[in-house]
Amino acid sequence: KQEVTQIPAALSVPEGENLVLNCSFTDSAIYNLQWFRQDPGKGLTSLLLIQSSQREQTSGRLNASLDKSSGRSTLYIAASQPGDSATYLCAVSSNTGKLIFGQGTTLQVKP
Amino acid sequence: GAGVSQSPSNKVTEKGKDVELRCDPISGHTALYWYRQSLGQGLEFLIYFQGNSAPDKSGLPSDRFSAERTGGSVSTLTIQRTQQEDSAVYLCASSLGIGGIEQFFGPGTRLTVL
Repeated sequence: KQEVTQIPAALSVPEGENLVLNCSFTDSAIYNLQWFRQDPGKGLTSLLLIQSSQREQTSGRLNASLDKSSGRSTLYIAASQPGDSATYLCAVSSNTGKLIFGQGTTLQVKP
Repeated sequence: GAGVSQSPSNKVTEKGKDVELRCDPISGHTALYWYRQSLGQGLEFLIYFQGNSAPDKSGLPSDRFSAERTGGSVSTLTIQRTQQEDSAVYLCASSLGIGGIEQFFGPGTRLTVL
């Protein structure tokens, strides 16, 4: 059974810092891995999707990497801003598209 | 609208009542998914629909839960005889297909069972 773990559960950093969020999964037979952002009381916003054949994806200040064989992904946020404060969720997809989520990392960026 | 919409945004009900939650996917998206987000369990898959295929109901927690998708578009998640442990945010997502396709989520319905 696929299990997804995110470390750390919570993170507080001063504005301007670069930071890394970690995600690991137990079964490497995935179709893709998706990083989401969730603001309090809101739905999920897709940030980056990495196909199983890819190693990384970039969007603005965000960079996500995937090492499928070791079951790991990282989300790198450069030059963090207070507006980046949110919960970040990692999810892996099977061939049917069902997403298995981690518990999330709650990020606070202090001005 | 451009995104996935869900209604109602909030629902408060009494234990034992039935509730219906609605999801309008993005136009043209053939796959539709329901997830549940609760404090103790995180985000869990419930059910998905893909085109005219039989839905995958493997994530439904009990036979009190059911869902249908009419005309390949709108979906309704029904919870019968609600229990307090059903309190959660119910999220709907849609995508152009299955297997490696990006999913887009709606804002969710917050269900509170008193």
